[in-house]
Amino acid sequence: GESVGLHLPTLSVQEGDNSIINCAYSNSASDYFIWYKQESGKGPQFIIDIRSNMDKRQGQRVTVLLNKTVKHLSLQIAATQPGDSAVYFCAETISGGGADGLTFGKGTHLIIQP
Amino acid sequence: EAGVAQSPRYKIIEKRQSVAFWCNPISGHATLYWYQQILGQGPKLLIQFQNNGVVDDSQLPKDRFSAERLKGVDSTLKIQPAKLEDSAVYLCASSLEVWAFFGQGTRLTVV
Repeated sequence: GESVGLHLPTLSVQEGDNSIINCAYSNSASDYFIWYKQESGKGPQFIIDIRSNMDKRQGQRVTVLLNKTVKHLSLQIAATQPGDSAVYFCAETISGGGADGLTFGKGTHLIIQP
Repeated sequence: EAGVAQSPRYKIIEKRQSVAFWCNPISGHATLYWYQQILGQGPKLLIQFQNNGVVDDSQLPKDRFSAERLKGVDSTLKIQPAKLEDSAVYLCASSLEVWAFFGQGTRLTVV
């Protein structure tokens, strides 16, 4: 089965509000996590990553939180804009072992209401 | 920086026919991946190359799928014969370190 999953298939937020997308993973050996954004008809685009030795990482308007105790990952998007509409995937891998292909969850479709 | 190039963008074939997809990774990226993305799901890894050697092909249906990366640069993924359930987007990705850059994918429809 899936080793990475997402709690909600669709998330609808008002433009300007903050968005929080959640992800649960089950492989305790995973040490590297990535959030990807996928717009319709395009390939996944890297947003932000975090290693297991960290619990928070910030980028431009985005923050990723990692809770290894409960194997939970979240992506926070500040001041959500129409261009943020997309499907968001979390992905995990075990880095440094050679075979580091990503395991993706099913995705959360973020819908921005005007 | 040029991205990962894939062709064709779209392909429609009948079941039992053959199809091939091509990928040109980002220059200098030693690692190349092929993923299958079925509608409504996340991408699933099919095969990973490090230069021209296979690192992981554990999820590749080897009775019908094959892939090669000659000279450690471009790669092709072939399906022969195709089944209806192979309808999906086939994504190629390449990486220098851990996280991967993805191409736009090839959307395959098997009818």
